[in-house]
Amino acid sequence: KAGVTQTPRYLIKTRGQQVTLSCSPISGHRSVSWYQQTPGQGLQFLFEYFSETQRNKGNFPGRFSGRQFSNSRSEMNVSTLELGDSALYLCASSPRTGWDTEAFFGQGTRLTVV
Amino acid sequence: ELKVEQNPLFLSMQEGKNYTIYCNYSTTSDRLYWYRQDPGKSLESLFVLLSNGAVKQEGRLMASLDTKARLSTLHITAAVHDLSATYFCAVDSGGGADGLTFGKGTHLIIQP
Repeated sequence: KAGVTQTPRYLIKTRGQQVTLSCSPISGHRSVSWYQQTPGQGLQFLFEYFSETQRNKGNFPGRFSGRQFSNSRSEMNVSTLELGDSALYLCASSPRTGWDTEAFFGQGTRLTVV
Repeated sequence: ELKVEQNPLFLSMQEGKNYTIYCNYSTTSDRLYWYRQDPGKSLESLFVLLSNGAVKQEGRLMASLDTKARLSTLHITAAVHDLSATYFCAVDSGGGADGLTFGKGTHLIIQP
């Protein structure tokens, strides 16, 4: 069974640019969540998508957005990049059915903004 | 706002010793997760605890949940070097819609 796949694994972008990250969840999982991990703030919830609908969003500015496609694949977009956006971005896949809520994480995309 | 506190944040111990990592959270929840992260790697799911009194064990690791005390523990028995990693607890209080709230992590170093 394939795991959660995130692409690309590494990115270097310049301030002011925008970036799109991709996440393919485990087959059959309808929920995809995104998290930002930094040394200072730790792991922070960005947003969750379930069946193409954003269920909730964490405390991040509107520059951070996402979407989910009908095949459950998800993309996250960050516009007008700032130096502080440098982080490891992790995607988590979950069935989210009843009590089956275990989240499985991808390898992450390490974004460096220069 | 849900807060999750782990302690200790840093732990250096010798092989063969036992130790416990504590995870306290501030609001009602009956879903708690433990993850392991190796340097430069992603999060590996260790345990899912879904009810009060839940106890799960895998090898030298055992996790428990007390929802009344809002406390989970991760106990390490007879530690070995391979268990060196950062361990995170995470709480799901919103049925998934609010995402997971993570503790700051416990950086565990096990020395021979």
